[in-house]
Amino acid sequence: NAGVMQNPRHLVRRRGQEARLRCSPMKGHSHVYWYRQLPEEGLKFMVYLQKENIIDESGMPKERFSAEFPKEGPSILRIQQVVRGDSAAYFCASSPAAGTDIYGYTFGSGTRLTVV
Amino acid sequence: GENVEQHPSTLSVQEGDSAVIKCTYSDSASNYFPWYKQELGKGSQLIIDIRSNVGEKKDQRIAVTLNKTAKHFSLHITETQPEDSAVYFCAASRGGSQGNLIFGKGTKLSVKP
Repeated sequence: NAGVMQNPRHLVRRRGQEARLRCSPMKGHSHVYWYRQLPEEGLKFMVYLQKENIIDESGMPKERFSAEFPKEGPSILRIQQVVRGDSAAYFCASSPAAGTDIYGYTFGSGTRLTVV
Repeated sequence: GENVEQHPSTLSVQEGDSAVIKCTYSDSASNYFPWYKQELGKGSQLIIDIRSNVGEKKDQRIAVTLNKTAKHFSLHITETQPEDSAVYFCAASRGGSQGNLIFGKGTKLSVKP
């Protein structure tokens, strides 16, 4: 079991470009969560998705950020027109299907986004 | 909304000593409290968790205690080793159908040989 896979590990973007972060959940997991970690801060919840559904996006900035988890393929966190303040580590976690909810949460190694 | 406070932000101990990290939470409906260890350049790894129906849980050198009345929980690491050096995060959640954890800001633990 390869665990939660995130790529790329490091991503550098110029201001105004788009950033796409990918997350492949653990095998058998259908719930995906995205968190952002700013320097010297804990992880902040962004969005919770199940296959083809956004369950809770209360932590997502209202503009420029979007997330999807299609029927096939990884979950994508997309940041349009990046600004310096978007520089952070973005972590994805997955958990098993409904019934276990957040228990059994597993994090990926993260994508470190640097906006220059 | 829910808020989780974590102290201290940095902690330095000698190898073999104990380390204690404390967290408080504000949402009385929280019922799941995990602790994560984050090593440099890696994702966070769950090291221990506790649910609101128990007051203490132990796994080898690691233990967690929970006081629901006071709304605080603590991580205890005994006989610390240099490989315990990392950033530790506490978190709280209502569990159930809600997926999101609320994290503390982390404690950077340094264990000196």
